[in-house]
Amino acid sequence: LAKTTQPISMDSYEGQEVNITCSHNNIATNDYITWYQQFPSQGPRFIIQGYKTKVTNEVASLFIPADRKSSTLSLPRVSLSDTAVYYCLVGGGTTSGTYKYIFGTGTRLKVLA
Amino acid sequence: DSGVTQTPKHLITATGQRVTLRCSPRSGDLSVYWYQQSLDQGLQFLIQYYNGEERAKGNILERFSAQQFPDLHSELNLSSLELGDSALYFCASSVAGSVNTGELFFGEGSRLTVL
Repeated sequence: LAKTTQPISMDSYEGQEVNITCSHNNIATNDYITWYQQFPSQGPRFIIQGYKTKVTNEVASLFIPADRKSSTLSLPRVSLSDTAVYYCLVGGGTTSGTYKYIFGTGTRLKVLA
Repeated sequence: DSGVTQTPKHLITATGQRVTLRCSPRSGDLSVYWYQQSLDQGLQFLIQYYNGEERAKGNILERFSAQQFPDLHSELNLSSLELGDSALYFCASSVAGSVNTGELFFGEGSRLTVL
C-alpha cells in the first residue's frame, strides 16, 4: 500500500494559486490518486482523482508526472473559504480484493486576507 | 449533503460503556467504510464492508466491531470504552468495492465523548 508524504502546512493569500505536492514513491500500477478536502468537524469531501497526466475539474487541477511517484493539487485563485486540510490518497486495491483506503496526515492550508 | 447519514451526531457516555454508531450509505452504494478521527489528528481507517462482507481491516481495536446488514446500512459497535476512544467517527460509502475509480462520500460524523 503506497504511503503518501505531504507538507504539514501551507499559508497563502487570497487570489493566489496554491500547489500542494504529494509524494507516493511506492504507488502500484493499478493505484489512482485522489485528493480530499476537510473542514473542521466535517467529513472529507472529494476534490479530484486521476491516474496519470493532468486532470481538471471546476475546482482544481491534478498534475501527475509520467513516473506517478508524486502528484500536485493546484487550487486556482484561493479564497478564505479554501482554508482546510487537504489529503492525498493513493491506491487501495490489492490482488486479494481487499481495500484499505488510508489517509495520510494531510496538508493544513491557511488562506490569509 | 453527501447522502450518507450517520446517527447519533453526538454521544456522551462513561468509561466502560458500550455504544453503537449507525450509518446509512448513499442509495446504490455497496461499500461502507469506517474512520476514526481524534482531536486534531488524521483519519484512521478502521474497517470496510462491501455488500455485507468484511473486505478490509485497518487499525481497529478488538473492543470495536462492525457489521453491514442486508439493507446495506452499517453499525460500528464500541465496547469497554476508554477516554482515548473520544473522537469523531466517520462513515463513508462508495459504489464499488474498490475506490480506485470512484469517490468516497462521507457522512457528517458521530462525535463520541467518553467521560
